Amino acid sequence: DGGITQSPKYLFRKEGQNVTLSCEQNLNHDAMYWYRQDPGQGLRLIYYSQIVNDFQKGDIAEGYSVSREKKESFPLTVTSAQKNPTAFYLCASSPTGSTGELFFGEGSRLTVL
Amino acid sequence: GNSVTQMEGPVTLSEEAFLTINCTYTATGYPSLFWYVQYPGEGLQLLLKATKADDKGSNKGFEATYRKETTSFHLEKGSVQVSDSAVYFCALVPDDKLIFGTGTRLQVFP
Repeated sequence: DGGITQSPKYLFRKEGQNVTLSCEQNLNHDAMYWYRQDPGQGLRLIYYSQIVNDFQKGDIAEGYSVSREKKESFPLTVTSAQKNPTAFYLCASSPTGSTGELFFGEGSRLTVL
Repeated sequence: GNSVTQMEGPVTLSEEAFLTINCTYTATGYPSLFWYVQYPGEGLQLLLKATKADDKGSNKGFEATYRKETTSFHLEKGSVQVSDSAVYFCALVPDDKLIFGTGTRLQVFP
């Protein structure tokens, strides 16, 4: 079935460690997005990419990095520079020309110990 | 700037009650408006959308009308079910990015 796959679903890390969250889609969508969800704050955009080998910072990019080497993949690295990384991370994609109509993965919950 | 304001939850209802979740927005121009739903432990799903003033989006018994004069996009359902329990997000696209509200949790009891 077509969709977006995020892994891992749950991840624990120690302070000072970098972690990478995987996001893969087989919907043939050009645009991909990473959001962070915290209780009571809705979703905040971290990074987005509208085409392979190109990406832009969202509203809260500090402490995060991404790459877009393949159309299907948009991994997110949470670096040790991110001060408060414990959160629920959501990846999404959308076809060209359909801004706003996003397809979401099931999310990855990161907990820093 | 562009923003979305939703009523705070939780909204607690009995099964078959009428639902309204308020959403107002601030934006320049004519943004597209959306409602997304997030069931427990899952990602978000697009519920409905409206792209111009007076449009009504509808899906699964839910409706919302794009009201430019009141800058609102309130979500309604005539008879909720326990399975509608979820978090509902209002969102808008003023240019090339989706901006979400903070979400409203709906709890429906039998």
